[in-house]
Amino acid sequence: QVQMVQSGAEVKKPGASVKVSCKASGYIFRTYGISWVRQAPGQGLEWMGWISGYNGNTNYAQKFQGRVTMTRDTSTSTAYMELRSLGSDDTAVYYCARVESPYNWNSLEDYWGQGTLVTVSS
Amino acid sequence: EIVLTQSPGTLSLSPGERATLSCRASQSVSSNYLAWYQQKPGQTPRLLIYGASSRATGIPDRFSGSGSGTDFTLTITGLEPEDFAVYYCQQYGSSPPKTFGQGTKVEIK
Repeated sequence: QVQMVQSGAEVKKPGASVKVSCKASGYIFRTYGISWVRQAPGQGLEWMGWISGYNGNTNYAQKFQGRVTMTRDTSTSTAYMELRSLGSDDTAVYYCARVESPYNWNSLEDYWGQGTLVTVSS
Repeated sequence: EIVLTQSPGTLSLSPGERATLSCRASQSVSSNYLAWYQQKPGQTPRLLIYGASSRATGIPDRFSGSGSGTDFTLTITGLEPEDFAVYYCQQYGSSPPKTFGQGTKVEIK
């Protein structure tokens, strides 16, 4: 069965960076994409961007351009999301989700990881 | 950016009743690329509906989606105890970013 297993919770200081991993299993990694979505405490969902499992192409939400980098390692079926210059408003649960197309960012997310809590605090 | 507005913010209903949730887009959603997710406290979002009206794998038929263009509806006919949760709509077909509505909470009356 499809599983998306994310790395554990992180606590970071303002200005630092965080890198979250998402290990996929149960499907052929290169035939899908991965989205990253975050959810601040008690708030709604916010799409951050997408990476192709096939060729590593990315599409970032403008809000995060210049501050986020999404990468993937096909040898381990793992996707990564690095967010830099963290502020307190980056405190959130970060989710990865499988996207049904490896070519188009605007495809459906169907399976989600369990989420990674990133806390930014001095 | 397409803004999705969900209403009502909270829906108080009893088990067995019908729930009708609305999602209105600030501009037309291309190809009806509109999805609905369910999220329970401390859990991951669960895909219910995609393409405005198609049920995802394993989703009971009491969940149905309808609508097109800018107005979409999620209907739950005969609420079960496990259906009390927060529901989000999402558009995934227009120019980036994908956007979500702010959510509708369905709570037990």
